[in-house]
Amino acid sequence: AQKVTQAQTEISVVEKEDVTLDCVYETRDTTYYLFWYKQPPSGELVFLIRRNSFDEQNEISGRYSWNFQKSTSSFNFTITASQVVDSAVYFCALREEGAGSYQLTFGKGTKLSVIP
Amino acid sequence: AAGVIQSPRHLIKEKRETATLKCYPIPRHDTVYWYQQGPGQDPQFLISFYEKMQSDKGSIPDRFSAQQFSDYHSELNMSSLELGDSALYFCASSISGTIFEGYTFGSGTRLTVV
Repeated sequence: AQKVTQAQTEISVVEKEDVTLDCVYETRDTTYYLFWYKQPPSGELVFLIRRNSFDEQNEISGRYSWNFQKSTSSFNFTITASQVVDSAVYFCALREEGAGSYQLTFGKGTKLSVIP
Repeated sequence: AAGVIQSPRHLIKEKRETATLKCYPIPRHDTVYWYQQGPGQDPQFLISFYEKMQSDKGSIPDRFSAQQFSDYHSELNMSSLELGDSALYFCASSISGTIFEGYTFGSGTRLTVV
């Protein structure tokens, strides 16, 4: 069973629009971590945020904000006033603590295209 | 701040050749992870090492092997290369402890098999 689901394969928005990238996860662990990474065309994985399962406080960092809701197992990412430089593939990822395996499980990614 | 160093950045090999990818983790980090990302795919976990011992194994082909050395750097050895091995290979490191502090990813090695 897929543990991290990013239902949106590709999204296109016009510059300055707001966009929300969805992430739904599945785990039986009570302790886990959720991540968002940005992968621009150059290929590197750029860390955006880490959130542990005990911290449901939403976070805002500049134009980026994250909404973590354990009740719906979702960790959505919103970009406000999108810019062309935001064009990239965005991955949501999960690390579980209970099984003793500390690997990161990625979603399939959402390709965001911001059109000028 | 020091980051995770991967070498080489790019590598072109022919089918059936061997390749060795290297990863130098952040100082003090004791755990190394290897991921493979095929074109248009998400990164897939291959293998990890903690204190020079294999700690977890994912979808790593038998043709691949890896190890972590006494200085904590790690090498991923790939033999009998196939066209399907063409991918971006990431190394990440972390430090074990009571509180997880996160992963640091290297910039990746892009392997092209021709």
